[in-house]
Amino acid sequence: SAVISQKPSRDICQRGTSLTIQCQVDSQVTMMFWYRQQPGQSLTLIATANQGSEATYESGFVIDKFPISRPNLTFSTLTVSNMSPEDSSIYLCSVGGAKNIQYFGAGTRLSVL
Amino acid sequence: GNSVTQMEGPVTLSEEAFLTINCTYTATGYPSLFWYVQYPGEGLQLLLKATKADDKGSNKGFEATYRKETTSFHLEKGSVQVSDSAVYFCALSLNTNAGKSTFGDGTTLTVKP
Repeated sequence: SAVISQKPSRDICQRGTSLTIQCQVDSQVTMMFWYRQQPGQSLTLIATANQGSEATYESGFVIDKFPISRPNLTFSTLTVSNMSPEDSSIYLCSVGGAKNIQYFGAGTRLSVL
Repeated sequence: GNSVTQMEGPVTLSEEAFLTINCTYTATGYPSLFWYVQYPGEGLQLLLKATKADDKGSNKGFEATYRKETTSFHLEKGSVQVSDSAVYFCALSLNTNAGKSTFGDGTTLTVKP
């Protein structure tokens, strides 16, 4: 299993600003995933972050809006840039484990005013 | 492509009622199947899983059986408790997906005393 610490747990931000979300894992992992979960909706994969290479973004998500860093095998950050109210959501960090199980952080609840 | 279809919610039950949440899937390959649960204010956590046809996953009184012939993985519990109130996600994963799962839309369960 993996224990994931994600912070901040919640934030309220002003339109046009940026927020960086941190994800720390208690073990070394190859792949880390960033998801968005809008209220009452399922998970939408934003990108997959590999250590030592550029993140792979899903359709509809771009690096300028959601830059990701992956400096080592236990840490990643996701930045939500130039925020608008439409970015209000829960952002979840996840890692893949043995037997294809995914482990999730508790999420960052973001409100943009 | 891969997809997961879950029974639409929300579902409201009285304590000790029987629960079924339907889940069907399509996959290009032989997937592993999962149910994840998300309690209020938390990230997703694995509830149960099955890796091959006719396997039954079980945990905390919940069960689901991998039915290859009907491409289904329905979640059941004989007697729900108020503490089972949460959002339930059905998911599949293939070994070729590099640890990523495909998630259903989630079903919100509310159990009333």
